[in-house]
Amino acid sequence: AQSVTQLGSHVSVSEGALVLLRCNYSSSVPPYLFWYVQYPNQGLQLLLKYTTGATLVKGINGFEAEFKKSETSFHLTKPSAHMSDAAEYFCAVRAGTASKLTFGTGTRLQVTL
Amino acid sequence: GAVVSQHPSRVICKSGTSVKIECRSLDFQATTMFWYRQFPKQSLMLMATSNEGSKATYEQGVEKDKFLINHASLTLSTLTVTSAHPEDSSFYICSAKGGTNSPLHFGNGTRLTVT
Repeated sequence: AQSVTQLGSHVSVSEGALVLLRCNYSSSVPPYLFWYVQYPNQGLQLLLKYTTGATLVKGINGFEAEFKKSETSFHLTKPSAHMSDAAEYFCAVRAGTASKLTFGTGTRLQVTL
Repeated sequence: GAVVSQHPSRVICKSGTSVKIECRSLDFQATTMFWYRQFPKQSLMLMATSNEGSKATYEQGVEKDKFLINHASLTLSTLTVTSAHPEDSSFYICSAKGGTNSPLHFGNGTRLTVT
């Protein structure tokens, strides 16, 4: 069984401030972890993923996430928010190479001037 | 890069009619396609997984006779919402992958409104 919990359905930051979106997971086998971004009325775009190897993964648009097994976390960060980062962000987990992807409930990021 | 095309992007239909949504992989062969449903301000809920040439596997609680999925070729899967009702109004998203270790690519979704 696998599950994902995203803490905070809505996060608001000022432009230029640090972005931190939290994700905790549960998986019975070593997980593959993903962060996706969704803009209004669009599908999902992969930001980054962790499968094996280096626990700090860098993605597109300046985002990165760190896999912490001891904390069962995969938080998404970006040093400096930009207005264009405003969107819905989904954390997802997959049990190894299994097909099924389980999504968290999403976090809406708002960026203010 | 790989692209998944979903059509139509928006559709409005009358209650009782059927609607077909297409999901195409444009530059790769999609051995597996997934169909999701997303309610406003909520996450994506997996409806079914379809492998080319075989019957779709539906998630618990999803009516297979209402949501007909066909994956007849390696580049096309269709979702037909039969006898649609207003409660079927939602955002439907497909995704596709080429193989076990291939990345998952998402379509841009279809906004279905049933009046």
